[in-house]
Amino acid sequence: SAVISQKPSRDICQRGTSLTIQCQVDSQVTMMFWYRQQPGQSLTLIATANQGSEATYESGFVIDKFPISRPNLTFSTLTVSNMSPEDSSIYLCSVGFGLRPNEQFFGPGTRLTVL
Amino acid sequence: DAKTTQPTSMDCAEGRAANLPCNHSTISGNEYVYWYRQIHSQGPQYIIHGLKNNETNEMASLIITEDRKSSTLILPHATLRDTAVYYCIVRPDNYGQNFVFGPGTRLSVLP
Repeated sequence: SAVISQKPSRDICQRGTSLTIQCQVDSQVTMMFWYRQQPGQSLTLIATANQGSEATYESGFVIDKFPISRPNLTFSTLTVSNMSPEDSSIYLCSVGFGLRPNEQFFGPGTRLTVL
Repeated sequence: DAKTTQPTSMDCAEGRAANLPCNHSTISGNEYVYWYRQIHSQGPQYIIHGLKNNETNEMASLIITEDRKSSTLILPHATLRDTAVYYCIVRPDNYGQNFVFGPGTRLSVLP
């Protein structure tokens, strides 16, 4: 298993600003992912964070809006850039062991409100 | 297109078995059935997964029909802490394939 922490746990931001969310894992993992959960909705995968290379983004998500870093096997960041109220969501980090993880472990999420 | 269909919500009495159905009529031979749940204000939690045989662990049992077009997650003795949204996900066992979460079933365990 893995223990995942996210910072901040929640934030309220102004339109047009950017917020960087950190994800820290207590052990080295192979796969790290970022999801978004809009109010009352299910989870949507934003991207796979790749160590040492550019993240792999899902359809509808672009690097300019959601830049991602993954400098090592235990840490990743997601930045929400030039925020608008539509970006108000819970952002979740998840991790998996191995290249085909049967189980993903999810962090507690970061609740973002954009005014 | 959604790969799975689940009821929007269900109620279950505390102490009774909760049976959550999932239809996946277009499932392929290399696709597994996974179940996750999300308790309010927490990240999703893995429950169980299977290919074609029934599976059981400390949390739940997974019953997959012989034609694999549907499955049922069973929580044998539901408690109030089992109140959550339960997601049934079909995913192939290939590198890079991720979990696609549908709307799930909101299970309310009632005292």
